[in-house]
Amino acid sequence: AQSVTQPDIHITVSEGASLELRCNYSYGATPYLFWYVQSPGQGLQLLLKYFSGDTLVQGIKGFEAEFKRSQSSFNLRKPSVHWSDAAEYFCAGLNQAGTALIFGKGTTLSVSS
Amino acid sequence: EAGVTQFPSHSVIEKGQTVTLRCDPISGHDNLYWYRRVMGKEIKFLLHFVKESKQDESGMPNNRFLAERTGGTYSTLKVQPAELEDSGVYFCASSEWEESTTEAFFGQGTRLTVV
Repeated sequence: AQSVTQPDIHITVSEGASLELRCNYSYGATPYLFWYVQSPGQGLQLLLKYFSGDTLVQGIKGFEAEFKRSQSSFNLRKPSVHWSDAAEYFCAGLNQAGTALIFGKGTTLSVSS
Repeated sequence: EAGVTQFPSHSVIEKGQTVTLRCDPISGHDNLYWYRRVMGKEIKFLLHFVKESKQDESGMPNNRFLAERTGGTYSTLKVQPAELEDSGVYFCASSEWEESTTEAFFGQGTRLTVV
């Protein structure tokens, strides 16, 4: 069965430090993968997506993600975290029918000063 | 441009009561999706409308849940009667083309608590 796994439930990073949030997927064919962020009181906002081509994807707010087929991973990175990045982050993949998103459980990011 | 709007933002009801959640998609978006996040679990797909037609309702948990999208504009999701396990956050999303689930825009969610 298709699945998306986010191994880390909660991560704390110091402001200005680098960030990497992990995401693994279980798919047959080339997956369509996404990262969303949800800030308190807000809806889910799309950070970036991967369909094909360049495996390093640039997104909004200074985020990037790298698709690694050999590791079945699509980790989200940011070189320098800001306090406003504190939020919950969701990795998701499009189901094989192409009709719905399959989400991971989410990773809550806290930023310490 | 207004985003996806959901009403109410919070709802607390007693077990056995009925609750209706509403979603107003972005104007012109034919595709409308409902998702749900039960506490501690993943966000899970419930169903997908294209205009007023249900394209996929494979994620609906049981027949206590009824979704409608009359006229292909806003959608409602009714839970009747509500059970404790229905508590969670219900998200609505909309997108312009069926193939572009990836461009789905999400609302802020409705937090439903059944006591």
